[in-house]
Amino acid sequence: DAGVTQSPTHLIKTRGQHVTLRCSPISGHKSVSWYQQVLGQGPQFIFQYYEKEERGRGNFPDRFSARQFPNYSSELNVNALLLGDSALYLCASSLEQGALGYEQYFGPGTRLTVT
Amino acid sequence: AQSVTQLDSHVSVSEGTPVLLRCNYSSSYSPSLFWYVQHPNKGLQLLLKYTSAATLVKGINGFEAEFKKSETSFHLTKPSAHMSDAAEYFCVGGFKTIFGAGTRLFVKA
Repeated sequence: DAGVTQSPTHLIKTRGQHVTLRCSPISGHKSVSWYQQVLGQGPQFIFQYYEKEERGRGNFPDRFSARQFPNYSSELNVNALLLGDSALYLCASSLEQGALGYEQYFGPGTRLTVT
Repeated sequence: AQSVTQLDSHVSVSEGTPVLLRCNYSSSYSPSLFWYVQHPNKGLQLLLKYTSAATLVKGINGFEAEFKKSETSFHLTKPSAHMSDAAEYFCVGGFKTIFGAGTRLFVKA
């Protein structure tokens, strides 16, 4: 079975632009979470979606938004990009909602560079 | 507030010697805890997880971790390091999926 896939692999954007990152979960997984990993730091939780509803949100500004589609794939949108948004964006899927022992499976990430 | 603290940012061992990566947590209830490994330019891979079934948890690649409630610790160990173990390791609290800051493991030949 295919693992979690993310697209694109790399992306370069200019300050003020917006970006859309995409994630396809493992087949059968209904929960998708997004994380931001700045170079040299651990991933920071951005969003969790389960059955197309937002179930958790981290401490990120409203410029960050996401959605989950009926096929459980997900998009992360970031508006008005700042230099500080440069990071590796990770998507993870799990069978159920997280936080209660359901391990998450991570994709390879999208490397976003904002210039 | 719930938190996960990795006590060492870097650990260096010689090949064939034991590995100890330390993690403390704080939680008002018994947490779910995980260890993930991240090799350069690769995704995060689950090593093992604790969900209260057993305090000593065995994972992949010879790693194991022991949950000690009295010490609020979940340290990761391996009896004998291999060069391929060199990577970044993250302790993760299942409550709201909180990642520790990571420990970079270096393995010397």
